Amino acid sequence: GNSVTQMEGPVTLSEEAFLTINCTYTATGYPSLFWYVQYPGEGLQLLLKATKADDKGSNKGFEATYRKETTSFHLEKGSVQVSDSAVYFCASPLGAGNMLTFGGGTRLMVKP
Amino acid sequence: EAGVAQSPRYKIIEKRQSVAFWCNPISGHATLYWYQQILGQGPKLLIQFQNNGVVDDSQLPKDRFSAERLKGVDSTLKIQPAKLEDSAVYLCASSPPGGETQYFGPGTRLLVL
Repeated sequence: GNSVTQMEGPVTLSEEAFLTINCTYTATGYPSLFWYVQYPGEGLQLLLKATKADDKGSNKGFEATYRKETTSFHLEKGSVQVSDSAVYFCASPLGAGNMLTFGGGTRLMVKP
Repeated sequence: EAGVAQSPRYKIIEKRQSVAFWCNPISGHATLYWYQQILGQGPKLLIQFQNNGVVDDSQLPKDRFSAERLKGVDSTLKIQPAKLEDSAVYLCASSPPGGETQYFGPGTRLLVL
């Protein structure tokens, strides 16, 4: 069935390190893809999105490219900060009525 | 623009008690979603409304959970009676007409003892 899979965490990095969080999806066609971020004690915030193949979403130094060949939407950031510590969710509207299917989340911890 | 509002932010109850959560979506957003997020997992959709009609409630445990959106704006999610496994964060989200992007509220953290 349709699904979103992302790498398990936690991911622990030092400040200014390079970040990659992998996300792949299984679906028919080319659905939109989203990255949401959840800071401690808060709800989900949209980080970036891509609506078609080869699109690149970007925001706050984060980037993700929609790659249809590998059905992936990996999240990257060149230099992480302590304030990036959060849980990151990959998601796609794979269900009826644009229902979002989420990956399991990846916790990122950035140390000074 | 005001975001999605939810209340209360935290709730502690004993099992078999009832509880209700309230959500006010972003103005003009026709679609409203309720998600359950168990600790360490991604959110799971419970119910989706389009205006005041239910689009999808296939994953709502209807023996104990109910939700309504009577005037097509605010929504209430109720649990009666609560079980220990209902401890989770309940997230409300909304999206504009024809839009895919969902905007989430801060959530209500429920602890059932």
